[in-house]
Amino acid sequence: QLQLQESGPRLVKPSETLSLTCTVSGDSISKSAYYWGWIRQPPGKGLEWIASIYYSGITYYNPSLKSRVTISVDTSKNQFSLNVSSLTAADTSIYYCARHDITIFGRFDYWGQGSLVAVSS
Amino acid sequence: SSELTQDPSVSVALGQTVRITCQGDRLRFFYASWYQQKTGQAPILVFYGKNDRPSGIPDRFSGSTSGNTASLTITGAQAEDEADYFCSSRDTNNVWVFGGGTKLTVL
Repeated sequence: QLQLQESGPRLVKPSETLSLTCTVSGDSISKSAYYWGWIRQPPGKGLEWIASIYYSGITYYNPSLKSRVTISVDTSKNQFSLNVSSLTAADTSIYYCARHDITIFGRFDYWGQGSLVAVSS
Repeated sequence: SSELTQDPSVSVALGQTVRITCQGDRLRFFYASWYQQKTGQAPILVFYGKNDRPSGIPDRFSGSTSGNTASLTITGAQAEDEADYFCSSRDTNNVWVFGGGTKLTVL
């Protein structure tokens, strides 16, 4: 059974950079036909797709966040990571990692449990 | 504002049928996928594509698309179906977007 687990800080200061890692277990992150993505959800609000990456390093970003976000993959560790720079209180969210396919379906079929990150001084 | 539009809330009587809709131009070209999220939990995929339901999802969940509107229908809603429901789709530039979500109340 595929499992994804987010890890990273729970509290970061404004203007700093957030670094999160998603560890994938139960299957190889190098499997073709799947992207690995990050989605966030401010408390009590909706879901926002942030970025996705293919095991080869091909990346896609939400245009509204692209200038502050970097996604990367480490196939040797079966992990992928997210950096978000120039943080503000608006970046306070639950951050989820997820797997999704690259077909016309684009479905996110496996999700991590989520990691709540607060941006505060 | 989200490029996929959902009604903020919908209610249904126990055992009745409810349709949750998602509207957006990209749905003319790409399928919607639907996610159920209960309080304090991660979203789970409940329907996608033309007629596809992940293993373990009850067959009372079904979906359809007409023009720029995708629908998730729950036939015979149960108390455990009370949750937030989000639609999602991609576009030709490999940008994914989620709808604003619909809060389903089962009365």
